[in-house]
Amino acid sequence: GNSVTQMEGPVTLSEEAFLTINCTYTATGYPSLFWYVQYPGEGLQLLLKATKADDKGSNKGFEATYRKETTSFHLEKGSVQVSDSAVYFCARSNYKLTFGKGTLLTVNP
Amino acid sequence: NAGVTQTPKFQVLKTGQSMTLQCAQDMNHNSMYWYRQDPGMGLRLIYYSASEGTTDKGEVPNGYNVSRLNKREFSLRLESAAPSQTSVYFCASNNRGQSGANVLTFGAGSRLTVL
Repeated sequence: GNSVTQMEGPVTLSEEAFLTINCTYTATGYPSLFWYVQYPGEGLQLLLKATKADDKGSNKGFEATYRKETTSFHLEKGSVQVSDSAVYFCARSNYKLTFGKGTLLTVNP
Repeated sequence: NAGVTQTPKFQVLKTGQSMTLQCAQDMNHNSMYWYRQDPGMGLRLIYYSASEGTTDKGEVPNGYNVSRLNKREFSLRLESAAPSQTSVYFCASNNRGQSGANVLTFGAGSRLTVL
């Protein structure tokens, strides 16, 4: 079936550190891939997306590249801020969205 | 723009009580969804409605019922609440089948505790 596996958290970083959150997906069909972010006390909101192989999604300094050969969509940011503290969800979609379990990121000043 | 509005934000129930979570969207989306979020489990789809007049089971439908009242509103009902239904519930919507499909807009969540 369709599934998404992302690195378990929590992840704790200092401000301005480099961030990577790994995500891999099952290769059934040709899914679109997404990263959603959930700030404390809020619902999820779309962070970025990629709809085909080699596409790079980017937003707010975050990037992720759709890698078909490794079935991965790792989230990266070069310099995190305290305001990036949130839970990050990787998701895939052919027909319905399937979410990973989420990774809690805490950025300390 | 209100987006997706859920009520109530918080609710405490006793085992066996019933309640309905309400959801409304003002974006003219055709598809609506109910998810539950539990620690270590991520988001799991309970029910969805691809279009007005249709509803389908998701991954974890047992113990729940839904009603797509009209294009705007999609309610989730617990007929006899159980402690295992303690969770945060999210409603979401999109225009599935169109460009940008599967980009969901989420409500702020409803935190339900069943004692």
